[in-house]
Amino acid sequence: QKEVEQDPGPLSVPEGAIVSLNCTYSNSAFQYFMWYRQYSRKGPELLMYTYSSGNKEDGRFTAQVDKSSKYISLFIRDSQPSDSATYLCAMEGTGKLIFGQGTTLQVKP
Amino acid sequence: GAVVSQHPSWVICKSGTSVKIECRSLDFQATTMFWYRQFPKQSLMLMATSNEGSKATYEQGVEKDKFLINHASLTLSTLTVTSAHPEDSSFYICSARAGTQPQHFGDGTRLSIL
Repeated sequence: QKEVEQDPGPLSVPEGAIVSLNCTYSNSAFQYFMWYRQYSRKGPELLMYTYSSGNKEDGRFTAQVDKSSKYISLFIRDSQPSDSATYLCAMEGTGKLIFGQGTTLQVKP
Repeated sequence: GAVVSQHPSWVICKSGTSVKIECRSLDFQATTMFWYRQFPKQSLMLMATSNEGSKATYEQGVEKDKFLINHASLTLSTLTVTSAHPEDSSFYICSARAGTQPQHFGDGTRLSIL
C-alpha cells in the first residue's frame, strides 16, 4: 500500500465547474499538507500549504484537511481552461515530501 | 517571492559525457535543496537532499558517484550527471526550502543522452 493515494484521472470538466481533487494517506506522522500544480514540462508550483485540520481558502482554491480520516481535498471554483494541469498532493512529516501520483485535470471551454 | 531558477532547461549530449545542472534560489536563502527525477506520467522521485556546506544524503538506489551534488552556498546547488548514458535521460527537478517552509521547485531540466 502506498503512503499516499491519489486517483490519476484523467478528470475532464466543463469551464466554470467546481473541481474536487482528493488524496488519502496512511502515515499518521504527516503534519504538513500541500497541493502543487504542474504544467507539462514544468516544475511543480505550490498552490496551497496547510498544517492542521480544517479549511484554507485562497482565491478560487480551497484546501481541506481531515486528519482523523487521513483525507485531504482541493476544490477549484469557477474552473478555467488555464487550470488544465496535473495536480499533485504532497505530505511531509519527517523532512521529506511524499507525493501522490498526481491527477490530470482538463477544463474544456 | 520564493523563486527557484534551474538551468539549463533542456540539454542534449552524447553518451559518456558529463552534464551539470544548476539550481538557484533567487530571493531567499535555501538551507536545504532537493533533487528529483520524474519519468513521463509519473510522480517525482527524490534522489537526494543537500544542506549547505554538507555532503548530500542520497536515497536508496541512487548512485552517489553517478549523480554528484554540490551545495556550496545558500543559493546554489548543482547536480552533475557523470558519464551519462541513455538510461540517464529523464526530467530532473530541483527544489529549495528555507528552514521549515514548504519546498519551491525549479522548472526542471530535460536531459537527453544520445
